[in-house]
Amino acid sequence: NAGVTQTPKFQVLKTGQSMTLQCAQDMNHEYMSWYRQDPGMGLRLIHYSVGAGITDQGEVPNGYNVSRSTTEDFPLRLLSAAPSQTSVYFCASSPIGGDQPQHFGDGTRLSIL
Amino acid sequence: RKEVEQDPGPFNVPEGATVAFNCTYSNSASQSFFWYRQDCRKEPKLLMSVYSSGNEDGRFTAQLNRASQYISLLIRDSKLSDSATYLCVCTSYGKLTFGQGTILTVHP
Repeated sequence: NAGVTQTPKFQVLKTGQSMTLQCAQDMNHEYMSWYRQDPGMGLRLIHYSVGAGITDQGEVPNGYNVSRSTTEDFPLRLLSAAPSQTSVYFCASSPIGGDQPQHFGDGTRLSIL
Repeated sequence: RKEVEQDPGPFNVPEGATVAFNCTYSNSASQSFFWYRQDCRKEPKLLMSVYSSGNEDGRFTAQLNRASQYISLLIRDSKLSDSATYLCVCTSYGKLTFGQGTILTVHP
């Protein structure tokens, strides 16, 4: 039972490059979300989705795009990487909504040089 | 002011000690509350939900005071394996807000 799978686990980018962080879940969860975690800041919500075809912004959406074409996948795109986006990124899912306990992926550690 | 505030610690306690963490939230519309545990360089994992009546799971007790907008977590008989960061989480209209976490270190 894979749960929530994030790829890659580690990535180093140069400023200005773009990339996509992948997130997939095999639990048929409707709700999926992306967070970034920085020292002393806790986890902050970037974008979330309540079902296929529906996405919305969280607390810190600037510089990131998402799409939800299937229930299983929720990729996060960095359009033009900046050093301020150096962080640990977590994807999470839950059956119904954000009011439910979340299942987290292992995280992606991203460094922007 | 942060929407969810926790004392970041660190708390350093001996094995067998009782330790309590507090969390305050500013959004009175918050609907659900949780404590998550996060080990170093790992993903957060649900420790327990927090109910208005208070709830207990083994050595862990969680309390919610809606009037004071305050959540607590009590750990009794601390174990070395309890060393981790404890995250307070509040939800409102489907969005989760995390506190910055409280670091606990249990030593022999």
